[in-house]
Amino acid sequence: DQQVKQNSPSLSVQEGRISILNCDYTNSMFDYFLWYKKYPAEGPTFLISISSIKDKNEDGRFTVFLNKSAKHLSLHIVPSQPGDSAVYFCAASGKSGGSNYKLTFGKGTLLTVNP
Amino acid sequence: DTAVSQTPKYLVTQMGNDKSIKCEQNLGHDTMYWYKQDSKKFLKIMFSYNNKELIINETVPNRFSPKSPDKAHLNLHINSLELGDSAVYFCASRDHGSGYGYTFGSGTRLTVV
Repeated sequence: DQQVKQNSPSLSVQEGRISILNCDYTNSMFDYFLWYKKYPAEGPTFLISISSIKDKNEDGRFTVFLNKSAKHLSLHIVPSQPGDSAVYFCAASGKSGGSNYKLTFGKGTLLTVNP
Repeated sequence: DTAVSQTPKYLVTQMGNDKSIKCEQNLGHDTMYWYKQDSKKFLKIMFSYNNKELIINETVPNRFSPKSPDKAHLNLHINSLELGDSAVYFCASRDHGSGYGYTFGSGTRLTVV
């Protein structure tokens, strides 16, 4: 039962162009969404997040868009750089921020940025 | 000065053996997690501890037993290892009072032969 889906296992873009990574979720109780970036042999590192009360959050080259009605979010990277090549995980959480809080992850999308 | 450190990074062992993976965080976080990334690449939660108390225990075989001697440590012991236990195991921590993101360790790649 995949509650968070990343349907594109991989994406390849040219340096300088825009990268768009997509994520869909099924659980309507999710209200906080995060993107993590993972390099080989390392743990995932937090990239950017968005609360369900917003539809956009921007941090430098990274922007996350949330469409609640469609249960869809996307991560835009502009301009893409070779160092952005990594696996990107979408994650979601429910309303509880307390001790039983947990993140549910998608399978990840491998982004390759070609010089 | 690694924030969340796991040992060992790689572990190769035979079926039927018992092994442990250790995790330590120096961030002062009060919640720690174990996640498993299997061959299908899903990151699935296994356990969560808050201040040494077990909070989340997903459907995990009894052969897996977490132990938290203090809030900075969460170890994972696995009995009678099976081929299907081969995966990358990630430890993570979070301060539940100050945000929603986790800090992950670099993972332990367990291979059961």
